[in-house]
Amino acid sequence: AQSVTQLDSQVPVFEEAPVELRCNYSSSVSVYLFWYVQYPNQGLQLLLKYLSGSTLVKGINGFEAEFNKSQTSFHLRKPSVHISDTAEYFCALGNQAGTALIFGKGTTLSVSS
Amino acid sequence: GAGVSQTPSNKVTEKGKYVELRCDPISGHTALYWYRQSLGQGPEFLIYFQGTGAADDSGLPNDRFFAVRPEGSVSTLKIQRTERGDSAVYLCASSFGGAYNEQFFGPGTRLTVL
Repeated sequence: AQSVTQLDSQVPVFEEAPVELRCNYSSSVSVYLFWYVQYPNQGLQLLLKYLSGSTLVKGINGFEAEFNKSQTSFHLRKPSVHISDTAEYFCALGNQAGTALIFGKGTTLSVSS
Repeated sequence: GAGVSQTPSNKVTEKGKYVELRCDPISGHTALYWYRQSLGQGPEFLIYFQGTGAADDSGLPNDRFFAVRPEGSVSTLKIQRTERGDSAVYLCASSFGGAYNEQFFGPGTRLTVL
């Protein structure tokens, strides 16, 4: 069975500090991985995705993620966060049939000054 | 251009009642998805349409849930004999092609069953 685990439910961080949001997956088939962000009172939007090729993926708003097959991880990183990055972040895995995403429970990133 | 819209934004109903939730996808998107998000959880897949047909309805929890997309655009999620456990935010998304393409999500409909 396929699954996604986000290891931290909440991550508090100060403005301009680096941040890493952790995501591990389980899948016995080809892996397609995504990070979505949900800002307060807005719909989910795609930050970045890994389908194949380079394991380091760059996304919008200065975020990047690294696919690590041996550790079955897809951690999201940003070298310097802003107050505006405060949001809920979801890691997701494409299901085998290509018909849906399997989401983790989410990580709340809270950036304070 | 316009994004995915969902109506109503909030729906309060009583246990046992029937509800319909509507989704207007982005024009031209052939794929449409319904997800359900309970408090403290990530979105959970319900059903996927490619055009007018339900290509994957494996996420529907039971036969009280049904969805249609008769003209390949607007979709309606229908829940019969609602139960308190159906309370959640129902999300709709659309995309070109399948799930590995970027999915554009609507703001959701918050359903509360009393």
